[in-house]
Amino acid sequence: QKEVEQNSGPLSVPEGAIASLNCTYSDRGSQSFFWYRQYSGKSPELIMSIYSNGDKEDGRFTAQLNKASQYVSLLIRDSQPSDSATYLCAGAGYSSASKIIFGSGTRLSIRP
Amino acid sequence: NAGVTQTPKFQVLKTGQSMTLQCAQDMNHNSMYWYRQDPGMGLRLIYYSASEGTTDKGEVPNGYNVSRLNKREFSLRLESAAPSQTSVYFCASSPVGTGANEQYFGPGTRLTVT
Repeated sequence: QKEVEQNSGPLSVPEGAIASLNCTYSDRGSQSFFWYRQYSGKSPELIMSIYSNGDKEDGRFTAQLNKASQYVSLLIRDSQPSDSATYLCAGAGYSSASKIIFGSGTRLSIRP
Repeated sequence: NAGVTQTPKFQVLKTGQSMTLQCAQDMNHNSMYWYRQDPGMGLRLIYYSASEGTTDKGEVPNGYNVSRLNKREFSLRLESAAPSQTSVYFCASSPVGTGANEQYFGPGTRLTVT
């Protein structure tokens, strides 16, 4: 069974601090990884994609991928109350016909 | 661009009734997907269509059927609804080539089966 594992949380972080979300995956064939943000009662929204080992930065978000350790992370700098949401990690192969495997999500709460 | 649209937003069915959930995308994406999301279970893939004219089963296909009507539209049908199918249903689409597998989700359909 190919799996993507996340700590369900809740993860509570003070406003202005760095929030660190982590994810591990079991399928070594996974080549592309994604972070989605989902507000309560809403649909998932893609916020980051990462395909290569290392860091990828986009504004306050940094995704990190370590394929040797089968580990993906998302850092949110200068956390804001609007970042409070559930964050879903997902992995897939290269092919466009690949099925994406989603983790069950980490609930993040930013306290003022 | 409307992105991915789904109808209806909410639906209540009695056990044994049938219904079709509609999904359309205007992003010219090749691949489309149907997921269900239950508390504590994450997103589970029901069916997907890698391209127009093809459909494949996902993780939880039992009790559902799909139709890829054209490149834009992908419908999900419940032939005989059961209480276990109470869930939130999301449709998604993704492009081919650069960004393949980056999925874009519709707003969801909240289905209750009594």
